Amino acid sequence: GDSVTQMEGPVTLSEEAFLTINCTYTATGYPSLFWYVQYPGEGLQLLLKATKADDKGSNKGFEATYRKETTSFHLEKGSVQVSDSAVYFCALSDKGNNRLAFGKGNQVVVIP
Amino acid sequence: GAGVSQSPRYKVAKRGQDVALRCDPISGHVSLFWYQQALGQGPEFLTYFQNEAQLDKSGLPSDRFFAERPEGSVSTLKIQRTQQEDSAVYLCASSLDGFVYSNQPQHFGDGTRLSIL
Repeated sequence: GDSVTQMEGPVTLSEEAFLTINCTYTATGYPSLFWYVQYPGEGLQLLLKATKADDKGSNKGFEATYRKETTSFHLEKGSVQVSDSAVYFCALSDKGNNRLAFGKGNQVVVIP
Repeated sequence: GAGVSQSPRYKVAKRGQDVALRCDPISGHVSLFWYQQALGQGPEFLTYFQNEAQLDKSGLPSDRFFAERPEGSVSTLKIQRTQQEDSAVYLCASSLDGFVYSNQPQHFGDGTRLSIL
C-alpha cells in the first residue's frame, strides 16, 4: 500500500540555521504530496503541497519539490526561527482515493 | 467558529466502556475523514464520508469501531467495549468537495485524546 517514510528522530537546530527534513514515499499511482505542521497545543495545519512531478510547494519560507525520480518530497527552510518549532508530517494522497497516508513526523526544536 | 470542531477534547474511560466522539466539520464541507494517531506516530486513516455516505471504512481496526454521519454534517465515531490499545488521539478532518481528483486540502480539528484505563 501507499506509505511515507520520514527521517528518524527529532531535529534540534539554532535560530537562522538551514532546515532539511527528508521524506520519501511509495505509491502505486501518481500521488499528491503534502507537508502538515502541528504547533504546540494546536491541530494539524497544511503547510504546503504539490500535485505533480517537479511541482514546488512553498509557504512561510518553507519549500518542497516533488521528485518523481527519487520518490521524494524533502522539506527545506533557509533560516529557521524559534516560532518554527513544531512537529512536521509528510503525507500523500493517492489520486485513486481521498485519504491521506502520513509519515511518523519529525519534532523540530529551534533554539534561540 | 470557522474550523473543524471536535468534542470532547479529552476522554477517559475504563476498559470495556463505550465511548462516542463528535466532529463538527466546516459548514458546507462535503468530505469528512476520521484518523487515529497513536503517541509518537503519524495519523492513520480510519474512515471517509461523502455527505452522509460512508464510502470507505477500510481503516477501522475492528468491528468495535463504528462511525456515522446521518445528515451529512456532524459525525460521530463510536468505540464499543474499549480496550487499552484504543488509547490515541482521534482526529477529524473535512474538505470542501468530494471529487476523487480534487486538490482541496483537508482541514483538521484539534482532536480528542482518548485514554483507556
